[in-house]
Order: sequence, then C-alpha cells, then structure tokens
Amino acid sequence: GAGVSQSPRYKVAKRGQDVALRCDPISGHVSLFWYQQALGQGPEFLTYFQNEAQLDKSGLPSDRFFAERPEGSVSTLKIQRTQQEDSAVYLCASSTWGNSGANVLTFGAGSRLTVL
Amino acid sequence: AQRVTQPEKLLSVFKGAPVELKCNYSYSGSPELFWYVQYSRQRLQLLLRHISRESIKGFTADLNKGETSFHLKKPFAQEEDSAMYYCAPRGRLAFGKGNQVVVIP
Repeated sequence: GAGVSQSPRYKVAKRGQDVALRCDPISGHVSLFWYQQALGQGPEFLTYFQNEAQLDKSGLPSDRFFAERPEGSVSTLKIQRTQQEDSAVYLCASSTWGNSGANVLTFGAGSRLTVL
Repeated sequence: AQRVTQPEKLLSVFKGAPVELKCNYSYSGSPELFWYVQYSRQRLQLLLRHISRESIKGFTADLNKGETSFHLKKPFAQEEDSAMYYCAPRGRLAFGKGNQVVVIP
C-alpha cells in the first residue's frame, strides 16, 4: 500500500482481555517501530524491528506486551491481560534504513485502545 | 543516551507573529535531529530534518552544536500551523513531550 496501515483503528477491551494490534508497513521498509502515545503525551518508544529481528524491546512496559514480525513485513503488537493504564494510541512507523535514509519515519494512523 | 528536551508545553501566538519552539539535546556522537508535526486528526509526519537544511512550510531549524539546540522557527505564524510539534533524534526516535502550538487569528 501507499502508507502504513494499522488495524483496528479503535479497540475497546475489558480489563483482563488480550488484544492484538496489527501494522502493515510500507512495502520494502526494513525498519518498523511501535510507540505508545497516552493522551496529551508524546509517543513513547516500545520496540523496534529490523526485518524480522527485534533489535530493541527495551520500551515494552511489562511482560504482558509482546511484538513480532515473523516475515519481516507485517507486525503484531499483543497485549495480554489488559489493564486500564494500557489505554493509549499505539502507533506503528516504518522506514528505510540506508546511508541517506536518515531514519525518516512514516507513521500509521494508530490504534486507539480503551480498556474498561 | 539520546535525549531531547522541549521545555514549553503550550505556545500561543497571534497570526503573523514569529514562533520559536525550543529543543535541546544531549547526544553522544554526531547528532541527527528531526522535527515531526501532528495536525488535528492527522498522522504524525516529518516536518524537517537538520541534514537537509531546508525550509518546510516556512519553518527552519538550525543545529547549534555549541548550545546543543535545534530550535524550530517561523517568522510569521499562520492559523494552519496550529498543531503538536515533536523534536526527535535519530535512532529510536525518543520523542520529546511535544509543543502544542495554537495560532490565534
């Protein structure tokens, strides 16, 4: 596709439910990032993939958060046993990674998760 | 660690007035910095990056290594500039908390 696609756009979950958020990056983009953006805050880094390899997961807030990108394209962010503090917009971004790519990110529209 | 600081959360300016958003960085190695913008109900998107040294929508940003700053400036604010602005370094792109700019007609 022409841009980064995320689904679902909106998700309401009851506390304790598991959720899965999907990201379709721009075709050919090597790098993929996940961010969490709470209301009124800037995006907070969660994790980063280069192709299928998860090179940095230091931003994942707890072991309830898990991300994968098994074939180096589509990525899924999974949150187990959701808590109210998980309510946020989850942003996915992708980029080329080259000498001149300079890590310019193209963002998706985000998935807004509300945990009741 | 690569960090940026945006000290002001909200900036209100009148249309036609200059606007300056401050960004200071602490960086090991050669800094490479970006400004991203998020307009209402739109996606976060790149505004400009320091290596290109270009003006986008009238905005410029100069990397000042002596002051470790990358302030964003525009001489005459327009209503369509109302948005959230984020300064970010390369890498994990650890965004600052952002500046909300409100341009008053």
